[in-house]
Amino acid sequence: DAGVIQSPRHEVTEMGQEVTLRCKPISGHNSLFWYRQTMMRGLELLIYFNNNVPIDDSGMPEDRFSAKMPNASFSTLKIQPSEPRDSAVYFCASSRGSQGEEKLFFGSGTQLSVL
Amino acid sequence: QKEVEQDPGPLSVPEGAIVSLNCTYSNSAFQYFMWYRQYSRKGPELLMYTYSSGNKEDGRFTAQVDKSSKYISLFIRDSQPSDSATYLCASMLSGTYKYIFGTGTRLKVLA
Repeated sequence: DAGVIQSPRHEVTEMGQEVTLRCKPISGHNSLFWYRQTMMRGLELLIYFNNNVPIDDSGMPEDRFSAKMPNASFSTLKIQPSEPRDSAVYFCASSRGSQGEEKLFFGSGTQLSVL
Repeated sequence: QKEVEQDPGPLSVPEGAIVSLNCTYSNSAFQYFMWYRQYSRKGPELLMYTYSSGNKEDGRFTAQVDKSSKYISLFIRDSQPSDSATYLCASMLSGTYKYIFGTGTRLKVLA
């Protein structure tokens, strides 16, 4: 299995631009998570999908952030407009189930820099 | 107060040393406890996974949970330079999907 695949690996953009991050979860996994990692705050859950449906988006910082999961093998996280404080590493993760006994598998992340 | 707290380190040890990494958590209802290892510029990968209290051993790694003191530990025996990474602890309530992560402890094992 190829694991969770994220693209791009690195994104450098200017303030105000739209940024789209992409994720392909592990085949057969029905839960997908988007996390943001910073030195100060660590890993923070942004949004959780189960069976392609957004279940919890309480971690999405502002209306500038949106996420979609049009099918079981693809998800996007969009930031519009981007701001310098959005600079972080964004991880997508997937798991087979929706509860604690199912383990979480992470992608390699997207390093986002907003200038 | 964060729900899961970790000392950020860095922690530097010589090769072959026993390493002790620790976390504390505040929610007594947490039932699942995990340790993730994260190499530089990579995503976290699951290292150890325990349910409720007790010890779990896997090769050179031992995870320990003390629910009475809300303390989570990871011990690494015969540490190797390849163990140099950031170690994240995480906790979760039973029946939920929300992993609560610590900020990670950076470990350097010197050859």
